[in-house]
Amino acid sequence: NAGVMQNPRHLVRRRGQEARLRCSPMKGHSHVYWYRQLPEEGLKFMVYLQKENIIDESGMPKERFSAEFPKEGPSILRIQQVVRGDSAAYFCASSPPGGSGANVLTFGAGSRLTVL
Amino acid sequence: KQEVTQIPAALSVPEGENLVLNCSFTDSAIYNLQWFRQDPGKGLTSLLLIQSSQREQTSGRLNASLDKSSGRSTLYIAASQPGDSATYLCAVRFQNNQFYFGTGTSLTVIP
Repeated sequence: NAGVMQNPRHLVRRRGQEARLRCSPMKGHSHVYWYRQLPEEGLKFMVYLQKENIIDESGMPKERFSAEFPKEGPSILRIQQVVRGDSAAYFCASSPPGGSGANVLTFGAGSRLTVL
Repeated sequence: KQEVTQIPAALSVPEGENLVLNCSFTDSAIYNLQWFRQDPGKGLTSLLLIQSSQREQTSGRLNASLDKSSGRSTLYIAASQPGDSATYLCAVRFQNNQFYFGTGTSLTVIP
């Protein structure tokens, strides 16, 4: 049972380009969370999605950032017109459906975006 | 507002010492609390999960406790080793299904 898979692991973009980060949750997990970690800072929540639904996007910047979790395929975090301040590690996590206290949050290895 | 706080922000101890990391949260309506470890430049590794109905969980030299009524959890590390050096994060799953993270405790174990 593969864990949470994120790709690419490292991505370099020039200012103004687009970045697309992908996350495949663990098998059986239908909840996906994206977090951003800036250098020397903690994890900041960005968005929480279930299949075909954005549940909470209160942590997403209002412009240039979008996320989706389609019925088929991975969740995608898209950053348009990247700027240097977008350079960070972006982590995806998934958990099973339902409100059980036994539901564990499992993280991917992260995608490290560098904007030149 | 749901918040998670961790103290201390950084801790340095000599090898062999027992130590305690603290996590506090503002809302007792939780599903669970999870402790993670993060090594520099790496992802997060889950260490222990405590469900809201549980008081503690143990794994090897690690013991995590939960006091939901006071909004606190502690992670106890026994007989610390240099390999324990990392940042330790606690995450609380509130009943809105949202996970909130503390800012972490950076632990250095000195050989």
